[in-house]
Amino acid sequence: AQSVTQLDSHVSVSEGTPVLLRCNYSSSYSPSLFWYVQHPNKGLQLLLKYTSAATLVKGINGFEAEFKKSETSFHLTKPSAHMSDAAEYFCVVSPSGSARQLTFGSGTQLTVLP
Amino acid sequence: DTAVSQTPKYLVTQMGNDKSIKCEQNLGHDTMYWYKQDSKKFLKIMFSYNNKELIINETVPNRFSPKSPDKAHLNLHINSLELGDSAVYFCASSGDGPPEAFFGQGTRLTVV
Repeated sequence: AQSVTQLDSHVSVSEGTPVLLRCNYSSSYSPSLFWYVQHPNKGLQLLLKYTSAATLVKGINGFEAEFKKSETSFHLTKPSAHMSDAAEYFCVVSPSGSARQLTFGSGTQLTVLP
Repeated sequence: DTAVSQTPKYLVTQMGNDKSIKCEQNLGHDTMYWYKQDSKKFLKIMFSYNNKELIINETVPNRFSPKSPDKAHLNLHINSLELGDSAVYFCASSGDGPPEAFFGQGTRLTVV
């Protein structure tokens, strides 16, 4: 069994300040982990993925995430928020090697204040 | 080129109607999916399908059925629409490589 918990349903930051979106996972297998972003009225875009290689993963648009097995966490960070980062972010887990069993977190709405 | 495309983007229909949402992918992937996103933005898989097997989420009513004319297409048919079917439906696909899914833009279905 696997599950994902996104610890904050809403996060607000000021433009230019750091972003931290928190995600904890539970998986019986060595998991693959993903962050997807959904802009308003848009589809889901893959930001980054962890698939058992380097634990610090860099993604698009300056985002990165660190896989911490001891803490079962995969938090998403960005050093400096931009207005265009405002969106819904989903943390996703799957058993290693399979996209057929993606389990989504409940999402975190990121608001960027001017 | 759009990798995964769905049509229509918006669909408004009356209760009791039957409707279809189309999905096409040009990534050469073997597996396609349908996800439902509810009003709280929670995403849940409905089906995964390749030419060998169909896996149905047991919570999906049998009014929903996927139909695949070929490997690049997976359409979603919904019979006897109900108010609770209102949601955003996402199509996705994945290949044999990295375990990641590529999503379409979504279809917002509103049942009135």
